[in-house]
Amino acid sequence: KNQVEQSPQSLIILEGKNCTLQCNYTVSPFSNLRWYKQDTGRGPVSLTIMTFSENTKSNGRYTATLDADTKQSSLHITASQLSDSASYICVVSQSGNKLVFGAGTILRVKS
Amino acid sequence: SQTIHQWPATLVQPVGSPLSLECTVEGTSNPNLYWYRQAAGRGLQLLFYSVGIGQISSEVPQNLSASRPQDRQFILSSKKLLLSDSGFYLCAWSVGSAGRNSPLHFGNGTRLTVT
Repeated sequence: KNQVEQSPQSLIILEGKNCTLQCNYTVSPFSNLRWYKQDTGRGPVSLTIMTFSENTKSNGRYTATLDADTKQSSLHITASQLSDSASYICVVSQSGNKLVFGAGTILRVKS
Repeated sequence: SQTIHQWPATLVQPVGSPLSLECTVEGTSNPNLYWYRQAAGRGLQLLFYSVGIGQISSEVPQNLSASRPQDRQFILSSKKLLLSDSGFYLCAWSVGSAGRNSPLHFGNGTRLTVT
């Protein structure tokens, strides 16, 4: 069954600290993997898209990694800010219009 | 630049009443359009997608339908709402299929509560 599992479900960190969110998937065939940020009550916003051949991709303080062999991805947030508080969603694309969404990790950054 | 508008932002409807949610995209032509539903603690579920005017693909059999009367307009409807239709509905667009290396662009969603 095509699945995307994210961990932890939720996370609380202090402002200025780093954190890493995990994503494991069993989706096949694989086209690309995406990370989205979703603020409460808003639509998700794309952070990164990585294809099979890409191991690392950065977007400002966000760095995503992909290990296609172990089917794992991570999103690392550096020097967290209060505005980073959101749900982070891992999405794996198969082909066509088929995307498999993870349930998300809820991150709360405290001052 | 491209923008996506989705309305209303919140909606409370009684069971058995009809539903119409509208989504429009500006700044692009012939986008692929999508309706997703997001339940608390679960991943987004694709309901419908459209690759052109009048072309609708349904992913999940349910109490809902979709229509695309114009190139950049996508409508989600129901004739009679069920309690289970409550949720957060998101419209999205992409250039080409969502499975390719182009991002999905989401609207800000409609929070539907069926009472």
